[in-house]
Amino acid sequence: AQTVTQSQPEMSVQEAETVTLSCTYDTSESDYYLFWYKQPPSRQMILVIRQEAYKQQNATENRFSVNFQKAAKSFSLKISDSQLGDAAMYFCAYKIQGAQKLVFGQGTRLTINP
Amino acid sequence: DAGVIQSPRHEVTEMGQEVTLRCKPISGHDYLFWYRQTMMRGLELLIYFNNNVPIDDSGMPEDRFSAKMPNASFSTLKIQPSEPRDSAVYFCASSLWERGAQGYTFGSGTRLTVV
Repeated sequence: AQTVTQSQPEMSVQEAETVTLSCTYDTSESDYYLFWYKQPPSRQMILVIRQEAYKQQNATENRFSVNFQKAAKSFSLKISDSQLGDAAMYFCAYKIQGAQKLVFGQGTRLTINP
Repeated sequence: DAGVIQSPRHEVTEMGQEVTLRCKPISGHDYLFWYRQTMMRGLELLIYFNNNVPIDDSGMPEDRFSAKMPNASFSTLKIQPSEPRDSAVYFCASSLWERGAQGYTFGSGTRLTVV
């Protein structure tokens, strides 16, 4: 069974600093997708960034980037120039190519200190 | 598009009562998912539909839970009878097969409290 592990239940960072959230996953598949979702206090789940496993280049969306290490089955999220609005729960998720089921990690609560 | 719309946003009910949660997916999306979020178990997939047909309901915890999708624009998740341990946030999400790599679009969730 596919599993997604986020080993950091909580993280905190000073405003304007950089923070990295960790995620590892377990799979025997070769084609899959990885995602980071943000859940602010409003409860809405918001897609932050995604990565196709067949792409070697790490995905980037403005201040958000990933470090995708396929051999190590690692998919970390880096947030640069942290802003107060980045405070939220962050969930790592995995989906097999051709399937529809998203498997989520347990989440990391990120606090931004002003 | 208004996104995935869930109602109600909050629901408080007494143990033993029937609860119905509602979801309107994004128009044109052919997959619909129901997730449950709790502190202890995180986000769990309960059931998902493709073109209104249930595909995988292995995550439905008990026979007290049922889900329907009578048409492409509406789905319900029903709990009968409800129990305090059903208290959670229930999310509906939808996606389009040809854009599966885009992930899901989630609704705002329904916070259910069973007292």
